[in-house]
Amino acid sequence: QSVLTQPPSVSAAPGQKVTISCSGSSSNIGNNYVSWYQQLPGTAPKLLIYENNKRPSGIPDRFSGSKSGTSATLGITGLQTGDEADYYCGTWDSSLSVGVFGGGTKLTVL
Amino acid sequence: EVQLVESGGGLVQPGGSLRLSCAASGFTFSDHYMDWVRQAPGKGLEWVGRTRNKANSYTTEYAASVKGRFTISRDDSKNSLYLQMNSLKTEDTAVYYCARSSGGGTNDYWGQGTLVTVSS
Repeated sequence: QSVLTQPPSVSAAPGQKVTISCSGSSSNIGNNYVSWYQQLPGTAPKLLIYENNKRPSGIPDRFSGSKSGTSATLGITGLQTGDEADYYCGTWDSSLSVGVFGGGTKLTVL
Repeated sequence: EVQLVESGGGLVQPGGSLRLSCAASGFTFSDHYMDWVRQAPGKGLEWVGRTRNKANSYTTEYAASVKGRFTISRDDSKNSLYLQMNSLKTEDTAVYYCARSSGGGTNDYWGQGTLVTVSS
């Protein structure tokens, strides 16, 4: 049971937009930055979004992040088949003094 | 170019021990907090633990699932991170990743992972 809650799966057609939610509490998302990671099959996770809504160099602006209260959202526009992957949110939990991840969301581009 | 390369994984019996290493290059290792994150087969990411930098007294934090059994250490002179795993259980079977922690607590670079299998 993950501390952060994500939907197990989402799907959309190529070219469409999808959002992935991440729900937590005041001790984690509510008071810390949220990051998002993309994990393509058989590879290590890759940072997509940091500090709630910033993109590392090389990440296209099709990927966006936002945070409100104790929830965060990853948005992906202009979906491509290459976006099919597992997506994870992550942050720090200040009460537990541990890192926490969501359970992951599998994106299918139909 | 930032690189993190894990090694030391393998097959170990329940109750046994294993030491993982992570060789870092391409950045000032001593400045950064470093994390271990694992992923059991077919499962999601699980944060294992963190070592802070010298400025923060190399303090460590651990997930409840490994506290008392796993120990994270680092050698800044060798740009290396370690994970000593004792009293291993079958549920510790996973790919173990080392990851650099940047400002804001994000893991901005990850290694390729090393597989640890705990089985008799």
